[in-house]
Amino acid sequence: DTEVTQTPKHLVMGMTNKKSLKCEQHMGHRAMYWYKQKAKKPPELMFVYSYEKLSINESVPSRFSPECPNSSLLNLHLHALQPEDSALYLCASSQAAGSGANVLTFGAGSRLTVL
Amino acid sequence: GENVEQHPSTLSVQEGDSAVIKCTYSDSASNYFPWYKQELGKRPQLIIDIRSNVGEKKDQRIAVTLNKTAKHFSLHITETQPEDSAVYFCAASKGSASKIIFGSGTRLSIRP
Repeated sequence: DTEVTQTPKHLVMGMTNKKSLKCEQHMGHRAMYWYKQKAKKPPELMFVYSYEKLSINESVPSRFSPECPNSSLLNLHLHALQPEDSALYLCASSQAAGSGANVLTFGAGSRLTVL
Repeated sequence: GENVEQHPSTLSVQEGDSAVIKCTYSDSASNYFPWYKQELGKRPQLIIDIRSNVGEKKDQRIAVTLNKTAKHFSLHITETQPEDSAVYFCAASKGSASKIIFGSGTRLSIRP
């Protein structure tokens, strides 16, 4: 299995809703990432987990809460979002060490619309 | 922190001609420089990468060059084809499970 799987593909939520984005990989990668991508912009790093521990938080607002329950799963919990949070949320993974440590494999993304 | 600048933002070339996209980075400790291709509505996919101990790398029609002294790296696509039309992002990082910072992207269009 050489893929990163993200669910749901599309999500529409109100500003008072609580929802979660899920990401799964079975490549044995021990680093997992959340990126946010707005239209016609590059992916913007949000969080990095290394060996299931949060290693980088790019000053993301607390309405985004990441969770890494095990080495294969990564969640992003969403609460009280704003319309400007509407974007494509990309999950990625990489080996945590060795020559492949930086090579990102991206999921197809979850397109989030906040009303 | 690291800053990656990418030029041009848009590039249109005749099919069969070459395309060159350039990036500069700010952090001299960066040691890994990948290039990603993102087709419309699709995920970014790695097309080629280079590490700081190498000056040039080729894979069929694509090549990347790195100048560590000047802190810039470039993507070269030869004999361009319609399927090369996409947005291309350069990126830079250092170490494992670290920040991988993307350039602003280049929208490449191939004219028939």
